[in-house]
Amino acid sequence: NAGVTQTPKFRVLKTGQSMTLLCAQDMNHEYMYWYRQDPGMGLRLIHYSVGEGTTAKGEVPDGYNVSRLKKQNFLLGLESAAPSQTSVYFCASTRPLAGVTGELFFGEGSRLTVL
Amino acid sequence: GENVEQHPSTLSVQEGDSAVIKCTYSDSASNYFPWYKQELGKGPQLIIDIRSNVGEKKDQRIAVTLNKTAKHFSLHITETQPEDSAVYFCAATNDYKLSFGAGTTVTVRA
Repeated sequence: NAGVTQTPKFRVLKTGQSMTLLCAQDMNHEYMYWYRQDPGMGLRLIHYSVGEGTTAKGEVPDGYNVSRLKKQNFLLGLESAAPSQTSVYFCASTRPLAGVTGELFFGEGSRLTVL
Repeated sequence: GENVEQHPSTLSVQEGDSAVIKCTYSDSASNYFPWYKQELGKGPQLIIDIRSNVGEKKDQRIAVTLNKTAKHFSLHITETQPEDSAVYFCAATNDYKLSFGAGTTVTVRA
């Protein structure tokens, strides 16, 4: 069982370039999330989705776009990368439990460096 | 939105001793408080969680306590072992968006 798979695992971009991070989950989870992790700042929510075809902004959405065309996939796009977007990105998925989130299952992360 | 503060940011303990990590939250409506452990190069994994109708929960060497009046909750690890060395995150929510603390790096000295 693969769980949550992120691709690519590493990427180096130049300022102004664009790229897409792909997240795929095989657990049939309704909810999916993109977080970024920076030293001393924990995990901050970028965007999330509560179902196929729906997305919403999280805590730090500026400079990112997302799409969820299929239930199992959640894409995170950077249209014009900036050095401030250098970070480790984590995708997670879950199903709701008693009105709140259930256990989040995380991918292994994608390390992005913007020069 | 919810604001979660976590202390300390680093913690070094002797193998066999106990470790305690404390978190406070701001939104009194929060009712779900999980703890995640992140090993080097991996994504976070849930280790224990507690809901607001419970004051304490224990699972082998780890336990979590919740004080809703004071809006704080804590993680306790007893008889620490080298494999407990990791980054630990607390989180809080009352819906489907978790707000995480900044993390505590725990180092267990042999």
